[in-house]
Amino acid sequence: IAGITQAPTSQILAAGRRMTLRCTQDMRHNAMYWYRQDLGLGLRLIHYSNTAGTTGKGEVPDGYSVSRANTDDFPLTLASAVPSQTSVYFCASSDGVAGAREQFFGPGTRLTVL
Amino acid sequence: DAKTTQPPSMDCAEGRAANLPCNHSTISGNEYVYWYRQIHSQGPQYIIHGLKNNETNEMASLIITEDRKSSTLILPHATLRDTAVYYCIVRVADDYKLSFGAGTTVTVRA
Repeated sequence: IAGITQAPTSQILAAGRRMTLRCTQDMRHNAMYWYRQDLGLGLRLIHYSNTAGTTGKGEVPDGYSVSRANTDDFPLTLASAVPSQTSVYFCASSDGVAGAREQFFGPGTRLTVL
Repeated sequence: DAKTTQPPSMDCAEGRAANLPCNHSTISGNEYVYWYRQIHSQGPQYIIHGLKNNETNEMASLIITEDRKSSTLILPHATLRDTAVYYCIVRVADDYKLSFGAGTTVTVRA
């Protein structure tokens, strides 16, 4: 693989269920990010990780958790999904947080919570 | 981070240059100007960034005014594949966050 992969591509989920969105990168980037994008809006940062073992809250973290056990993987978990979490979720990575470095984005996961 | 203002939409003829304006009048000295684009249903794609000087790469050119209060992204020869939403973002170099606004929807017409 090359770049960032996300799984699943899309998912329909019943409210109250637990769901983990997967994100894997093979570029050995230190920093990783999760964004959500709602119809007609720009992307909003949910959580980020500067390096393996550390995470931080973004603009809209409530209802989501993340972990960063290693450099390559950055899963996003919805412990108990609600309809307002219906969105398209994008994972991204960059070569470190500091400095003017570009972020590379995955193809996205389209999540519908009913 | 400084806010940016972009026109909501613009059309461009295929093969012609597309000039996308962005105002960032409150930009501070340590903030960079970034451009990303998002083709329908795909993840955003980095295009170019700059601090003070004009920049050019294989995708586009970035022209930043001397006072840094505005910039223009130039797609030299627009193709139909350049149809996308283009985002102008200003960010401090050490900041982890990219703040995406509404962007400019660019439609390239044959």
